[in-house]
Amino acid sequence: DAKTTQPNSMESNEEEPVHLPCNHSTISGTDYIHWYRQLPSQGPEYVIHGLTSNVNNRMASLAIAEDRKSSTLILHRATLRDAAVYYCILRATWMDSSYKLIFGSGTRLLVRP
Amino acid sequence: GAGVSQTPSNKVTEKGKYVELRCDPISGHTALYWYRQSLGQGPEFLIYFQGTGAADDSGLPNDRFFAVRPEGSVSTLKIQRTERGDSAVYLCASSKGLAGVWNEQFFGPGTRLTVL
Repeated sequence: DAKTTQPNSMESNEEEPVHLPCNHSTISGTDYIHWYRQLPSQGPEYVIHGLTSNVNNRMASLAIAEDRKSSTLILHRATLRDAAVYYCILRATWMDSSYKLIFGSGTRLLVRP
Repeated sequence: GAGVSQTPSNKVTEKGKYVELRCDPISGHTALYWYRQSLGQGPEFLIYFQGTGAADDSGLPNDRFFAVRPEGSVSTLKIQRTERGDSAVYLCASSKGLAGVWNEQFFGPGTRLTVL
């Protein structure tokens, strides 16, 4: 399985943008990039996913490098509620086991008031 | 609508005892997953059900772990002869239709299992 690398932790101020990086240098052409986050004492929740083009939804934006070896999750205005562990996950379309989410250790985001 | 629910939220047991953890998926979701999360780690896949059958149980750590989903809805994760190393948060997730790379998984809040 292709691997992802994320910083252990990041800090942000409330109402400022946050850019959470993810490196995936061994990504294959058919791997989708997914982001989930886990708020304290809760299960993970889906944030966004993409393949090649940048993606936006109500929660966040996903910027994917042209060579696809890295991506960045962007929270446009961090709130205290965004304090969570953010996981970057690759999912291979060609694999029968693409249903499995393979989590790394993620990035713990701290948001200062 | 209602999300994935898990009961109990906390379970404390003694080494060697048997435990059952329950998951109620979102109504109509045919795919169901169990994951285990140790302190400071990301969740790890245990088992995947499509309908009533376990399509992939490759993540179950040993034969003390077993899961069922007899009517294709509620699932129970069963752990026999619990060991201290089984202490973790057990997460259940469900998704619509055939599980695939595009299907978002919806997670429950988890059951925190502590084996003394």
